Amino acid sequence: KAGVTQTPRYLIKTRGQQVTLSCSPISGHRSVSWYQQTPGQGLQFLFEYFSETQRNKGNFPGRFSGRQFSNSRSEMNVSTLELGDSALYLCASSSTSGGVETQYFGPGTRLLVL
Amino acid sequence: AQSVAQPEDQVNVAEGNPLTVKCTYSVSGNPYLFWYVQYPNRGLQFLLKYITGDNLVKGSYGFEAEFNKSQTSFHLKKPSALVSDSALYFCAVRDIGGNNRLAFGKGNQVVVIP
Repeated sequence: KAGVTQTPRYLIKTRGQQVTLSCSPISGHRSVSWYQQTPGQGLQFLFEYFSETQRNKGNFPGRFSGRQFSNSRSEMNVSTLELGDSALYLCASSSTSGGVETQYFGPGTRLLVL
Repeated sequence: AQSVAQPEDQVNVAEGNPLTVKCTYSVSGNPYLFWYVQYPNRGLQFLLKYITGDNLVKGSYGFEAEFNKSQTSFHLKKPSALVSDSALYFCAVRDIGGNNRLAFGKGNQVVVIP
């Protein structure tokens, strides 16, 4: 099976702009989670989607939003970008949102905000 | 809230020597614990997980982890380290409540010296 794919791999934006990141989960996986990784804060949970519904949300401002489509692909959007949004954004998928499923991560999208 | 701690920033080990990366956890209820590895400019790769059962869990690439309930620890081990094991290692615990939210430790940089 193909792994989790994320596009684009790299992005450069300026403050105030908005950005959309895309994640395609492993075929058959219905749960998609997003994480932000920074040197200072480490890995932090953003949100999880399952069957097009947001199941859980981390402690991020409303500028961070996401959605999931019927084919389980997911997008996250960050509006009004700030310098502190520069990070590696990781997407992970798993087959269900119950049980103790393993999450498999994509390669990430590295966002640089200037 | 569920949490894990990785007390060391960096672990240096000579090639061929045993490798141990430490993780302690704090949870309410049964812990569901994971180890991931991250190579430079890559996403996280799953190594192993503990749900229940045997305290010694075997995973990918020759890694194993020992679950110790009395010490609330889940240390990652490898009997003989390789230079290619040099990477960033993350311990994680799954949130309660049937969702896939993971709380990660800060990560440990492992350096295997030839």
